[in-house]
Amino acid sequence: AQSVAQPEDQVNVAEGNPLTVKCTYSVSGNPYLFWYVQYPNRGLQFLLKYITGDNLVKGSYGFEAEFNKSQTSFHLKKPSALVSDSALYFCAVRDWRNTDKLIFGTGTRLQVFP
Amino acid sequence: DTAVSQTPKYLVTQMGNDKSIKCEQNLGHDTMYWYKQDSKKFLKIMFSYNNKELIINETVPNRFSPKSPDKAHLNLHINSLELGDSAVYFCASSQAGGVYEQYFGPGTRLTVT
Repeated sequence: AQSVAQPEDQVNVAEGNPLTVKCTYSVSGNPYLFWYVQYPNRGLQFLLKYITGDNLVKGSYGFEAEFNKSQTSFHLKKPSALVSDSALYFCAVRDWRNTDKLIFGTGTRLQVFP
Repeated sequence: DTAVSQTPKYLVTQMGNDKSIKCEQNLGHDTMYWYKQDSKKFLKIMFSYNNKELIINETVPNRFSPKSPDKAHLNLHINSLELGDSAVYFCASSQAGGVYEQYFGPGTRLTVT
């Protein structure tokens, strides 16, 4: 079965420091991976996706993600965190059996302290 | 302009009632979805429609019935509401035929008392 795992419920980082939010995947075939962010009382917003090609994917708000096939990981990164980045982050993978379907991880709460 | 909109934003109702949530997208997308986010923030797909045709129907009680009058609208009707139905329901839409991201509505917080 296809799945993504987000091993950390919460990540704390000081403003200005680099941040990493971890995601590992388990898929049959080529993985199509996504990151979304959810601010309080809002819907999810798309950040970036990996389809194929360059292992470093750049997205919205200065975020990027690194695809690592050998480690089956797709970690979200940002060089310098902002307090406004504090939110809930979801990793997702497209289901190969039903390409309309996204399978989401359990979410990681990012807290950036001033 | 709001890309994906849902009404109402909040819905408080008693057990046993029937309620509907409406969703509209103005992005010209062919595919629309309903998701349920529980109190632990776990997000799970319920249904998807492509151009008014039901594509995904996850293991959802048949008290939940989606209806798509046209490809810009996907409504969710819930019969005989139960306490466990309390959650935030999100509508989303995307283009079809490739690896496209989904655009989410602001959510409807349903509370069943």
